[in-house]
Amino acid sequence: SAVISQKPSRDICQRGTSLTIQCQVDSQVTMMFWYRQQPGQSLTLIATANQGSEATYESGFVIDKFPISRPNLTFSTLTVSNMSPEDSSIYLCSVERGTGNYGYTFGSGTRLTVV
Amino acid sequence: DQQVKQNSPSLSVQEGRISILNCDYTNSMFDYFLWYKKYPAEGPTFLISISSIKDKNEDGRFTVFLNKSAKHLSLHIVPSQPGDSAVYFCAASGSRGGGADGLTFGKGTHLIIQP
Repeated sequence: SAVISQKPSRDICQRGTSLTIQCQVDSQVTMMFWYRQQPGQSLTLIATANQGSEATYESGFVIDKFPISRPNLTFSTLTVSNMSPEDSSIYLCSVERGTGNYGYTFGSGTRLTVV
Repeated sequence: DQQVKQNSPSLSVQEGRISILNCDYTNSMFDYFLWYKKYPAEGPTFLISISSIKDKNEDGRFTVFLNKSAKHLSLHIVPSQPGDSAVYFCAASGSRGGGADGLTFGKGTHLIIQP
């Protein structure tokens, strides 16, 4: 199944700044998904990124705060903009597994702390 | 409104015995259900999935049972091993009625395997 390289693995950022998270997949995929896991909470879908079109955002998430790029079929970035302590979370990207049982593969996550 | 619910935050099971993790859902549009295992500081690892047209799927020590009328699924791990200690997430897809879809997650159950 697909393998995802996600970076950075963690970062500590000052409030008001932005962080860009990158995900590289070892195969071409149509859709890439971005999730957030706030402390003690479940994973929540932020947006779906298709190559060549605007990302589709879930309720409660907006492009100005979480701009996404999808320049090709193996790569995507998520930027967390104008950060506040409430943005401290684990951010993960995900793609369809591509083989075997239906499912999705996740990156290892980016643990973001905003101070 | 939580569409996927895992009502047990934690579960303790003796090594070698059966672990049963439960999940309930409310959205009848879901067409696939998945289980993930997550260690701290790692992304979720796919375990097993089941289509809504089936009632059982088995893969090695893992079996998932689906009861559509009750909107309930469970993951059975037999026999339980120390390495199974992790947080287990139930997830569902298809709420938008087709196509590659993001996942809706439950809040997770922390499984602890006692030696």
